[in-house]
Amino acid sequence: GENVEQHPSTLSVQEGDSAVIKCTYSDSASNYFPWYKQELGKGPQLIIDIRSNVGEKKDQRIAVTLNKTAKHFSLHITETQPEDSAVYFCAASRSGGGADGLTFGKGTHLIIQP
Amino acid sequence: DSGVTQTPKHLITATGQRVTLRCSPRSGDLSVYWYQQSLDQGLQFLIQYYNGEERAKGNILERFSAQQFPDLHSELNLSSLELGDSALYFCASSASGGGKTQYFGPGTRLLVL
Repeated sequence: GENVEQHPSTLSVQEGDSAVIKCTYSDSASNYFPWYKQELGKGPQLIIDIRSNVGEKKDQRIAVTLNKTAKHFSLHITETQPEDSAVYFCAASRSGGGADGLTFGKGTHLIIQP
Repeated sequence: DSGVTQTPKHLITATGQRVTLRCSPRSGDLSVYWYQQSLDQGLQFLIQYYNGEERAKGNILERFSAQQFPDLHSELNLSSLELGDSALYFCASSASGGGKTQYFGPGTRLLVL
């Protein structure tokens, strides 16, 4: 089955700086890669996703890049703000046939220092 | 608010007991997923239903079962509970599966004593 590795487990950055979280996946058939943000006491919330036919996607301060050859994808957050502090999860799935349970990484605790 | 509702929010029970967790998907979503989140295992996919039919199974124990009803709500049944089943259980829904966005509910926190 799919295996997703996520690094780092904790990331502390100064407010206004950029943050980068990296993930690798094992199943070359995976074709959908979402990123979720989870705040304390809440369910994961989708912040951005990318599909295997695209190399990069951007939404305001958030961007995701995908390298299919290396089986690697990354989340980039620029101009970080205190409200960006949360746990971030990467995930992967193969969506053939409509069966698409997500395999998650272990999460990154992002801390924005004032 | 994702539009996915889960009840109850918290559940405390004893080992050996059986509980049922309930999920109502977003309006119009046909696919429902169940995930378990624990400190040691992280977020794990358990099972997916699409329009009442089981579509995919993940790391779901034989003691656990689920179903999706004609009104599209879903229930996750956990039986012969063990201490290690204590976790957050999330339901998610998507329009149709197949790589569509999954929206997560607020979760049910289960504590087995």
